[in-house]
Amino acid sequence: RKEVEQDPGPFNVPEGATVAFNCTYSNSASQSFFWYRQDCRKEPKLLMSVYSSGNEDGRFTAQLNRASQYISLLIRDSKLSDSATYLCVGIRYGQNFVFGPGTRLSVLP
Amino acid sequence: EAGVTQFPSHSVIEKGQTVTLRCDPISGHDNLYWYRRVMGKEIKFLLHFVKESKQDESGMPNNRFLAERTGGTYSTLKVQPAELEDSGVYFCASSPRLGAGNEKLFFGSGTQLSVL
Repeated sequence: RKEVEQDPGPFNVPEGATVAFNCTYSNSASQSFFWYRQDCRKEPKLLMSVYSSGNEDGRFTAQLNRASQYISLLIRDSKLSDSATYLCVGIRYGQNFVFGPGTRLSVLP
Repeated sequence: EAGVTQFPSHSVIEKGQTVTLRCDPISGHDNLYWYRRVMGKEIKFLLHFVKESKQDESGMPNNRFLAERTGGTYSTLKVQPAELEDSGVYFCASSPRLGAGNEKLFFGSGTQLSVL
């Protein structure tokens, strides 16, 4: 079983829609989690960190449920520019970052 | 402040040849990582340096791959001899000293390696 799993999609949604991505992790020792965004042929870029209390950054909301080993990302009022692959990433203290396979989002006009 | 830089951005070589990729991390970042993304697959960890020491090289595919980080500054990743399955995008990333709230990865733009 992969350490970080995601639904690869693609998710095709109209502009203005709300879309949610899920991610599960198998290693309970993972301590910190992040969502990265990767545009086609570009490097991944940090979108936001994920906290147990949940955190929001504009149209983006991330949530971590340690009991269920589950992470989510909610995007409200989708824009065309949100089209990208969203990577769920976990890290154990002092260890390396582990990437999920990514979920591809296409926001359609 | 300069970000993580990688060179070259693209490399096309023939099977059996040698290629060396270079990564310059953000100045002051102790942690340097190499990752690889093969087309259609997830980003996979190759290895992690803390300063000049290899902290974890469990992701290195085989002994055709050699990474170095002399002096704890820039790093090189050499593939010798290259095989077809080595094709992919090789990303380098760096992060500051790991600690609470400090685990953020900054990526270079990657080296697209094509082995023909």
